[in-house]
Order: sequence, then structure tokens, then C-alpha cells
Amino acid sequence: EAGVTQFPSHSVIEKGQTVTLRCDPISGHDNLYWYRRVMGKEIKFLLHFVKESKQDESGMPNNRFLAERTGGTYSTLKVQPAELEDSGVYFCASSQWTLYNEQFFGPGTRLTVL
Amino acid sequence: AQSVAQPEDQVNVAEGNPLTVKCTYSVSGNPYLFWYVQYPNRGLQFLLKYITGDNLVKGSYGFEAEFNKSQTSFHLKKPSALVSDSALYFCAVRDSGTYKYIFGTGTRLKVLA
Repeated sequence: EAGVTQFPSHSVIEKGQTVTLRCDPISGHDNLYWYRRVMGKEIKFLLHFVKESKQDESGMPNNRFLAERTGGTYSTLKVQPAELEDSGVYFCASSQWTLYNEQFFGPGTRLTVL
Repeated sequence: AQSVAQPEDQVNVAEGNPLTVKCTYSVSGNPYLFWYVQYPNRGLQFLLKYITGDNLVKGSYGFEAEFNKSQTSFHLKKPSALVSDSALYFCAVRDSGTYKYIFGTGTRLKVLA
């Protein structure tokens, strides 16, 4: 079974530019999550999809971040325009539908905004 | 508010000795507790979870954790550490009513040969 995959693994952009991160969850997982770890701190929740619907986007920092999951398969997270404080590692995770199930994480995308 | 504390940034232990990585939590409802490990340039790998039942939970790679409700703790343990256990360990909690994880800041475990 293939795991959660993320692309790109690294991205370096200038302040003000746009970056789009992609996540492919484990096949059959309806739940998809985005998290972020900034500057070695705790990993923070950004949002949660159930299929193509946003179930919880309480962790999205501001309207420069836009997440989509068209068709309920892969998801994208766009940052536009990027700011210096957006630098960090962005993790995607997926899980099956029950609350008891653990989340499976991708390798992360390291974003550096210069 | 939900929170997780991992009080030690780093834990050093000699190979063959027992190890403990500490985690305490605060949630309003029943906690679902998880431990993950991150090796360099890899994603978080699931180790074990407590949902309900026996307070001692066994997981991957010989790790176990004990749920202590009165102390609101979920410490990760292993009887005999290996050099290959050296990695970054994250504790996470989920309130029974939600799907999102609340993570601790992580503890770097260094096992010395």
C-alpha cells in the first residue's frame, strides 16, 4: 500500500511569490489533514477535509492560504503571496473515517521564503 | 484549551538502558493519545495509540506507553534502547469530539553507543 506522498519535497521562493503544495493521501482515506511545523516548534493543525469538503479550517493562519481537494482525492495548499513567517515544514496526513484511526503522515514539504 | 507538553527537548540514554520520553496533556473530554517518531528527512511514523481499555499500550519497535489518567500523562518507554532509536518523538492528543491532533514540541532522543 502506497503511503501519503507530498510534492515538492523542498521549495525556496521569494517573499511575495506564490507556492502550491500537493498531497496525495492513501487510497480510500476520506480524511485529509494539513499541518505545519515552524522553526522547530510544535506541529500545528491547519485544516481537515472529509472527501472534498472542509470539515475544520480553524488552524488556517489567514486568507493568504487556500486549500482545495477537488474530487476528494489529492489536495493542494496554495500560499499567495508568501511571507517570511510562512517558512516551515508542511505535513499532510490522511486517515480512515473513524475517530479511532491514527493518521498517516507524508514526508512533508520544506518551504523557505526568502 | 487542549494542550500537550513534552518537557524535555532532548533525552540522552546509553544503548541497552531503558528509556522514557515524557508527555502530559490537557483536554476537555476523553483523550485519544498517540506517539509518532520522525527520522531525518522522513515523515512522522505512527508508533502507538491509547483510545480506551488497558492503560499499558504496546506499539511498534518494542515501544510501549502507559496512560495515567490521574496524572494526565502518556509517557513513552522502551526497556532496552538501540542506537537506531535515535530520532525525534512527538506526542499528540485528540479530544474525543474532534479529528485534529494537538502536538507537543517534540523530544529528540539520542541513544549513545
